Amino acid sequence: DQQVKQNSPSLSVQEGRISILNCDYTNSMFDYFLWYKKYPAEGPTFLISISSIKDKNEDGRFTVFLNKSAKHLSLHIVPSQPGDSAVYFCAAKPNTGNQFYFGTGTSLTVIP
Amino acid sequence: ETGVTQSPTHLIKTRGQQVTLRCSSQSGHNTVSWYQQALGQGPQFIFQYYREEENGRGNFPPRFSGLQFPNYSSELNVNALELDDSALYLCASSFSGTSGGMETQYFGPGTRLLVL
Repeated sequence: DQQVKQNSPSLSVQEGRISILNCDYTNSMFDYFLWYKKYPAEGPTFLISISSIKDKNEDGRFTVFLNKSAKHLSLHIVPSQPGDSAVYFCAAKPNTGNQFYFGTGTSLTVIP
Repeated sequence: ETGVTQSPTHLIKTRGQQVTLRCSSQSGHNTVSWYQQALGQGPQFIFQYYREEENGRGNFPPRFSGLQFPNYSSELNVNALELDDSALYLCASSFSGTSGGMETQYFGPGTRLLVL
């Protein structure tokens, strides 16, 4: 049962434009959400997080939006750069327990 | 600050064998989580260790077991290997002030296991 879903396996964006990566979840007990970026042959690298008490968190070019009523979060990258090309995973954690649940990833390609 | 390291980087085993994977956590971290990432999938939580005790487990059979040492490094042991165990095994470390919380996990590069 996939509790965190990334329905777009891939996304291509022109350099300088906005990249929007989406993530949906089913478990209303999730209260902490993270985005990770993964390059080939490397482990996932933490990018940005948001707790359920917020609806937006910004860090430089990266902004995460959380819509609790829709059980949806998104990662915006502005402006997109070729070095952003990687697989992006969203992850969620419930308010009890220690397990992080990951989506299946979205492969972002930023075209120069 | 030393990041999360894992060894070996690659491993080939045959069905029925046993394997031990190792992880050194990032300095200052006291919690280690292990994940299995099959091809085309996201990481799946295996278990977490905190203060040398298992502190949460995902939907994996008992032949997946682990250890955490006083220096917070950790091992993942898999017995009676099956073909479906072929995957990337990721270790993530974090700091927990209590047995849970909104800690961020930092991942190592992973060990790629192939079971023939």
